Amino acid sequence: GDSVTQMEGPVTLSEEACLTINCTYTATGYPSLFWYVQYPGEGLQLLLKATKADDKGSNKGFEATYRKETTSFHLEKGSVQVSDSAVYFCAQTNAGGTSYGKLTFGQGTILTVHP
Amino acid sequence: EPEVTQTPSHQVTQMGQEVILRCVPISNHLYFYWYRQILGQKVEFLVSFYNNEISEKSEIFDDQFSVERPDGSNFTLKIRSTKLEDSAMYFCATGGNTEAFFGQGTRLTVV
Repeated sequence: GDSVTQMEGPVTLSEEACLTINCTYTATGYPSLFWYVQYPGEGLQLLLKATKADDKGSNKGFEATYRKETTSFHLEKGSVQVSDSAVYFCAQTNAGGTSYGKLTFGQGTILTVHP
Repeated sequence: EPEVTQTPSHQVTQMGQEVILRCVPISNHLYFYWYRQILGQKVEFLVSFYNNEISEKSEIFDDQFSVERPDGSNFTLKIRSTKLEDSAMYFCATGGNTEAFFGQGTRLTVV
């Protein structure tokens, strides 16, 4: 079945360090891929997405490229801030059509950024 | 910005009791979902709801669970007889054309 695997956490970085959180997926067909972020005490927020191969999603300095050949969607940021401390979830959906709501999530990666 | 709201934010219940978790979805969305996250584990899909009926459900969503839109606005998840292993964060989500919008979650603790 469809699945998403993220790198194990937690990840602890100093401010302005580079970030990469690995994500790979298995799917039948061609899923859409997402990164969601959960800040302390809040719900899941969409960070970025890509709907087809070679698409790059970007938002708030974060980027991820949909790589069909390696079935990956790694999250990257060149210079993290303390405010980026959160839990990051990679997710996929094959739902398409009129709804992108049925998602398969990775296990989440806790990121802590120190000043 | 539109948002999905969930109540309560935290609920403690005794094993065997019924609980109802409530969600107010974004008004023009047609698809509704419940997810749960047991502490330290993945966010797991429970059920999707469209046109006033369940469109898909996971293995987790057994006879102890039910969903409904009692008044056309709220979207509820009922657990009939809670078990200790039902303790988790429950997220409601509504699906738009380009993304799913999640509520802040209800933390359910069964004691």
